[in-house]
Parts: sequence; structure tokens; C-alpha cells
Amino acid sequence: GAVVSQHPSWVICKSGTSVKIECRSLDFQATTMFWYRQFPKQSLMLMATSNEGSKATYEQGVEKDKFLINHASLTLSTLTVTSAHPEDSSFYICSARPGTGGSNEKLFFGSGTQLSVL
Amino acid sequence: GNSVTQMEGPVTLSEEAFLTINCTYTATGYPSLFWYVQYPGEGLQLLLKATKADDKGSNKGFEATYRKETTSFHLEKGSVQVSDSAVYFCALRNQGGKLIFGQGTELSVKP
Repeated sequence: GAVVSQHPSWVICKSGTSVKIECRSLDFQATTMFWYRQFPKQSLMLMATSNEGSKATYEQGVEKDKFLINHASLTLSTLTVTSAHPEDSSFYICSARPGTGGSNEKLFFGSGTQLSVL
Repeated sequence: GNSVTQMEGPVTLSEEAFLTINCTYTATGYPSLFWYVQYPGEGLQLLLKATKADDKGSNKGFEATYRKETTSFHLEKGSVQVSDSAVYFCALRNQGGKLIFGQGTELSVKP
């Protein structure tokens, strides 16, 4: 089946540094990818929708200048947490939707990245 | 607004025990409902779905029935196996097409 590769699976960084998380669709093209964040014991929350070749669409309350999303090709989207602070420590998950349209239920998910900011 | 609430984990069961993971939702209109499963080290996978009231989704021995009157979509399995150990996420798809997830429930099945 379709596979989405997300790297790194975990990362520890110092406060004030930037961290990049990659999300790759390995055997399909994805015009649209999604980025989620989950704090402990809370729901998996959609942060932004990433569209190939255009600007990402951010959900209310998500700072676009802090969470930079780049979707430069049909198989790769990156999320960069800029000037990370301890409150950004969270579990980040990406998902990709095959093709150029279709239902959001046909999503393939990465295995997630646990970010810890010291 | 739209939201999904799941029972807190972790849930620990012995092999062959009966499983129920509760899920309730709040939504406008009639959302589609889903259960996703995340096995260790892997991404979330769609386990089952139901698109209208009284529909029953089923897969791999798991079942969930869309109950509009109680706004619930509880996940059940009659006899769990060690290989079912995973995190289970309940979700709805709202009128705008976005997936709204619960917080996930970790299931640990002991031999």
C-alpha cells in the first residue's frame, strides 16, 4: 500500500533553534498534504494544509511565521518550526492525499515526529 | 463547533478479552465517522468508517455503529489479540471536508 515517510521520528533541540520535519510520499504523488500536532492527552489538531506550488493554508491560531511549510514537489512537504521554544514540544504528524483531489478519508499518514525543545 | 472525545487510555486487556473504546462527537449536520489505528512505528491507517446514522463499519473483527441519538461511535472487538496493541483514533469529517480527531486511546493487549 501507499507509504508516507516522515523524518525524523524524534528530535531534541535547544530553545531558539529551528527544526525541519520532512514528509515524503514514497509511491504516489500528493498535491495536498496536511500537518497535525498533538499535545499529551489532547486531540490530534490540524495545523495547516499544504498545497504543492502554492502557499499553505493555516488553521486559526497557528502562526504561519513560526511554522513554515514548504511543498515544493508532489512528493515532499516540509514543516520548519522556527525559533522553537519549550511550548512547541509536541508530536507532529503529516498526512498526504493521493492525486489531485478526492475525499479526505483517503489519507496516508506518516509515523510522526516527537519534538522536545529544551 | 465540531469535536471528538474518546475514553482515556491506556487500556490494558488480556488476550481474547472483549474490547470497547468509547467515542462521542459533537457536530453540525451529519458527519461521516471513522476509526484510525496507529501501530507502533507506523502511520495512522483507516480501520473502518460509517457515513450515515445506523451504519455499521467493520474490519479485522472490529465494529462500530453510528448512533445519531447518542452521538456515539464506539469501537468494539469480541476477542482481542496481542497484535491489536496500538493507538486508536476516532474521527469525524465535517461539512468542510476536514478530519477532526479525538485524542487517541492506547490499547495494550497482554498474552
